[in-house]
Amino acid sequence: AQSVTQLGSHVSVSEGALVLLRCNYSSSVPPYLFWYVQYPNQGLQLLLKYTTGATLVKGINGFEAEFKKSETSFHLTKPSAHMSDAAEYFCAVSYSSGNTPLVFGKGTRLSVIA
Amino acid sequence: EPEVTQTPSHQVTQMGQEVILRCVPISNHLYFYWYRQILGQKVEFLVSFYNNEISEKSEIFDDQFSVERPDGSNFTLKIRSTKLEDSAMYFCASCPQRSTNQPQHFGDGTRLSIL
Repeated sequence: AQSVTQLGSHVSVSEGALVLLRCNYSSSVPPYLFWYVQYPNQGLQLLLKYTTGATLVKGINGFEAEFKKSETSFHLTKPSAHMSDAAEYFCAVSYSSGNTPLVFGKGTRLSVIA
Repeated sequence: EPEVTQTPSHQVTQMGQEVILRCVPISNHLYFYWYRQILGQKVEFLVSFYNNEISEKSEIFDDQFSVERPDGSNFTLKIRSTKLEDSAMYFCASCPQRSTNQPQHFGDGTRLSIL
């Protein structure tokens, strides 16, 4: 069975500082990994995804994530936080194909301090 | 860019009543999903739907729940005899085809409050 653990339910960074949101997964088959962002009163928007190939994936809004199989991790980073990055971030995993149900982590709320 | 739309954005219902949550997936998508998020908890998969039938469902999706695609555009989730613990945010999602590179696109959700 797949599962996702997001370390830290709330992360606070200063504007311009590095953003690091942690995600670890467990999967008995090669995983497909996703990061979604949820702004207040909005739905889940795809930030980036890893399916196969290059382990460092780039997404929208300057975010990127690296798939590390040996560490079963898919941490999300951004070099310089912006106020508009304040949102809830969800890591998710699916198995076999991108159409199978997503298993989500509990989410990490990112606050950006001016 | 095409979007998944959900209505209503907020639904308040008395316990024991039936509720129908509506979704209009992206027009050329073939796979449809419902997820829910109880306040403070993780987003959980309920059911997936393909070719006019349920393709997968979680243990949450019991006899109280049903899904339907009544016409070519709508995808509905019905909850019969609602309970207090059904209060949650319900998300609809759709996916274009059976491909490893196509992510699921989510709607903005319906907040269901059971009184």
